[in-house]
Amino acid sequence: QKEVEQNSGPLSVPEGAIASLNCTYSDRGSQSFFWYRQYSGKSPELIMFIYSNGDKEDGRFTAQLNKASQYVSLLIRDSQPSDSATYLCALRMDSSYKLIFGSGTRLLVRP
Amino acid sequence: DVKVTQSSRYLVKRTGEKVFLECVQDMDHENMFWYRQDPGLGLRLIYFSYDVKMKEKGDIPEGYSVSREKKERFSLILESASTNQTSMYLCASSLISGHSLYGYTFGSGTRLTVV
Repeated sequence: QKEVEQNSGPLSVPEGAIASLNCTYSDRGSQSFFWYRQYSGKSPELIMFIYSNGDKEDGRFTAQLNKASQYVSLLIRDSQPSDSATYLCALRMDSSYKLIFGSGTRLLVRP
Repeated sequence: DVKVTQSSRYLVKRTGEKVFLECVQDMDHENMFWYRQDPGLGLRLIYFSYDVKMKEKGDIPEGYSVSREKKERFSLILESASTNQTSMYLCASSLISGHSLYGYTFGSGTRLTVV
């Protein structure tokens, strides 16, 4: 089983809708969670990170973490065509400097 | 904003050549990383460094080596390039504060083709 699982998509939503991206992980020692956005041909850029159970909001983005169920999600409200990209989930395990990445979910926002 | 600069955006090398990929960051980050990204395989860690002259193997170190002589610079070396090393190479750096890792900042990537 992969350490970080994401549905590859594409997830297609209409402009203005809420896009919900999900990520599950296998190791309960995972401590910190990160969401990156990657446009085609570009490098990943950090959108949000979350350490504690619950929700964390930043503008149109909300990260949700449930450590008991071992999932983390990213909600994008009022989706825009410019949000079309691949979204990578990553986690850091206890006492580690490195991040472990999922393979990413491709999001397509239709005008 | 922290900046991570990779020396080449595109590179074409011949099989058997020794290849150097350079990465420089300007924000005094302790940690630096080299990943490769391939379709369907995601990001895979090659090597990372948490201090000058310190290095640790990642998940796929075979065929690669690294050098970190100065805090701001982390070099990836392909000792003898092979066609299966054709990939997008991404350098990243991060800050550690206490036990918290503040995410990575990535460079713009080097797309290496080995022919």
